[in-house]
Amino acid sequence: GAGVSQSPSNKVTEKGKDVELRCDPISGHTALYWYRQRLGQGLEFLIYFQGNSAPDKSGLPSDRFSAERTGESVSTLTIQRTQQEDSAVYLCASSLEVGAGPYEQYFGPGTRLTVT
Amino acid sequence: AQKITQTQPGMFVQEKEAVTLDCTYDTSDPSYGLFWYKQPSSGEMIFLIYQGSYDQQNATEGRYSLNFQKARKSANLVISASQLGDSAMYFCAMKGPGGSYIPTFGRGTSLIVHP
Repeated sequence: GAGVSQSPSNKVTEKGKDVELRCDPISGHTALYWYRQRLGQGLEFLIYFQGNSAPDKSGLPSDRFSAERTGESVSTLTIQRTQQEDSAVYLCASSLEVGAGPYEQYFGPGTRLTVT
Repeated sequence: AQKITQTQPGMFVQEKEAVTLDCTYDTSDPSYGLFWYKQPSSGEMIFLIYQGSYDQQNATEGRYSLNFQKARKSANLVISASQLGDSAMYFCAMKGPGGSYIPTFGRGTSLIVHP
């Protein structure tokens, strides 16, 4: 079956511009996560969606970052007024989080964002 | 709060040999899950293996096994018969009970397999 897809795969933008990153999770997966990974670093949690519950936004680094998810499907991560420190790979993951675990995550290929 | 520690920034192994990647964790939850993911140079994170805190047996998946020592709070990944394609970053992660907890990831270990 189809895995998690993300678009675009690469995005170069000028400082101050807004960007939108898209994630298509695996069909039927209730949970969706966004992470940021700076070069040579680990994963930094950004936001978590689970079903129809209110999202957990505790990882968003500033109010320039926001994300939406339509039901249990597509999600978009928006970064407004981009800064150079926003340059990173943005990874999306989905997980089937109903019933018993283990709730392993399936990751997309990521979007590499470069802010010039 | 949960914490994952991977103390080995880089590891080298000869092809066909076994290698152990260390992971220690800290949590106050009695129920938790431990995961290992592989990230090749292509960037995509790949789920490898899972160990539940109440599982009696150490998890195994093909050439991957998890040396789970609950009293020591360690969940080391053992890769047997290393292959060149095993060269990648490896991340240990922990998740709390149920599906409502955010995973905590370690900083990763870079594994290079030499021919």
